[in-house]
Amino acid sequence: DIQMTQSPSSLSASVGDRVTITCQASQDVSNFVNWFQQKPGKAPNLLIYGASNLEAGVPSRFSGSGSGTHFTFIISSLQPEDFATYYCQQYENVPTFGGGTKVELK
Amino acid sequence: QMQLQESGPGLVKPSQTLTLTCTVSGGSVTSGAYYWNWIRQHPGKGLEWIGYIYYSGATHYNPSLRSRTSISLDTSTNQFSLRLSSVTAADTAVYYCVRNCGGDCSPTLFHHWGQGTLVSVSS
Repeated sequence: DIQMTQSPSSLSASVGDRVTITCQASQDVSNFVNWFQQKPGKAPNLLIYGASNLEAGVPSRFSGSGSGTHFTFIISSLQPEDFATYYCQQYENVPTFGGGTKVELK
Repeated sequence: QMQLQESGPGLVKPSQTLTLTCTVSGGSVTSGAYYWNWIRQHPGKGLEWIGYIYYSGATHYNPSLRSRTSISLDTSTNQFSLRLSSVTAADTAVYYCVRNCGGDCSPTLFHHWGQGTLVSVSS
């Protein structure tokens, strides 16, 4: 299986902060990476697909980049509704997820 | 808008078979546009893909679970189901049914999720 190493596992931030999360794939996955947001008790919600494509209806403060083995997810200006856990996922092969990043209020 | 809803027992005994059903509304499981997936999330932990089925009946499973997994379609009820045999406590998780984005997108580009159902394995 392709391992997705996501960091950090948690972070504390304030409203308005820029937040950066990274995912490192154990082998080349091209641009077959998605990013999800999950709130407690809810299913994950697709934010970014194909490494950098914003899903319809998702605010533009969310962005993704990368290819090959290194991927970055950015929230340009953190909003109160963005406090959640974020996951990367590769779908180049048998799909696997990163371990998650919990974004908490500082 | 299409909706997915999981159903099934919340408690299964060790060594038994876990069976869950996903009811699809607002669309058809026989649509050639979609792949129908199962994903699980262990309590407080990450996500694990279990497998998918296409309208043709073709399936693809996670190799780590393949020997115990079966996914099927019921076109008469517009549902698809998961069977996971010989369960242990390690199979305790929230189980999600998930649809891909349709069209030309990858079967495992997880676009639309059910709300999830918790299944506990305990005697």
